[in-house]
Amino acid sequence: DTGVSQDPRHKITKRGQNVTFRCDPISEHNRLYWYRQTLGQGPEFLTYFQNEAQLEKSRLLSDRFSAERPKGSFSTLEIQRTEQGDSAMYLCASRLSGGNEQFFGPGTRLTVL
Amino acid sequence: TQLLEQSPQFLSIQEGENLTVYCNSSSVFSSLQWYRQEPGEGPVLLVTVVTGGEVKKLKRLTFQFGDARKDSSLHITAAQPGDTGLYLCAGATEETSGSRLTFGEGTQLTVNP
Repeated sequence: DTGVSQDPRHKITKRGQNVTFRCDPISEHNRLYWYRQTLGQGPEFLTYFQNEAQLEKSRLLSDRFSAERPKGSFSTLEIQRTEQGDSAMYLCASRLSGGNEQFFGPGTRLTVL
Repeated sequence: TQLLEQSPQFLSIQEGENLTVYCNSSSVFSSLQWYRQEPGEGPVLLVTVVTGGEVKKLKRLTFQFGDARKDSSLHITAAQPGDTGLYLCAGATEETSGSRLTFGEGTQLTVNP
């Protein structure tokens, strides 16, 4: 299967801890997106990369959040000093430049206690 | 800020019934996508529409993009329990076509046997 993969699928952490999530996009997709989804809502955009360059960040992405895509392939999303309000599903999607369709991974469910 | 409004938010019907889900905005979209999401999983792409007035069919599902590219609908004929899920519309405008999708809040469909 060559779809978007995310790891871990579930993460439970205590408030104040740091967490890091990984996303592996569909190979050859040069655009990679991070979204956050809370219960009962649609996904909300966080940030996106074209190759290794981070081109746009949402105001939702506070200074506790950082995302990287160092080699233009996989990406990581780190949340420092987690808060209970960070509890959500974190979704990664990828897309070919010039295409319209974003394909999503299975998500990482974060629970902050 | 773009806003995509979906209606209804919840829909519970009997197997065999027909239904329509609506997605409306004041913004013009360069493309609009429909996704279906199961609990604990990422959204799965159903269809992409890009041309005003476009109609696409996927088995019992019919998708329509409004002439002005501001609205869309999803019609399901003879719904089955397997159609149960969260249906999400998502659009990209000319300004954001290179980056983020804006999602509606979703329609939670339950098809009872």
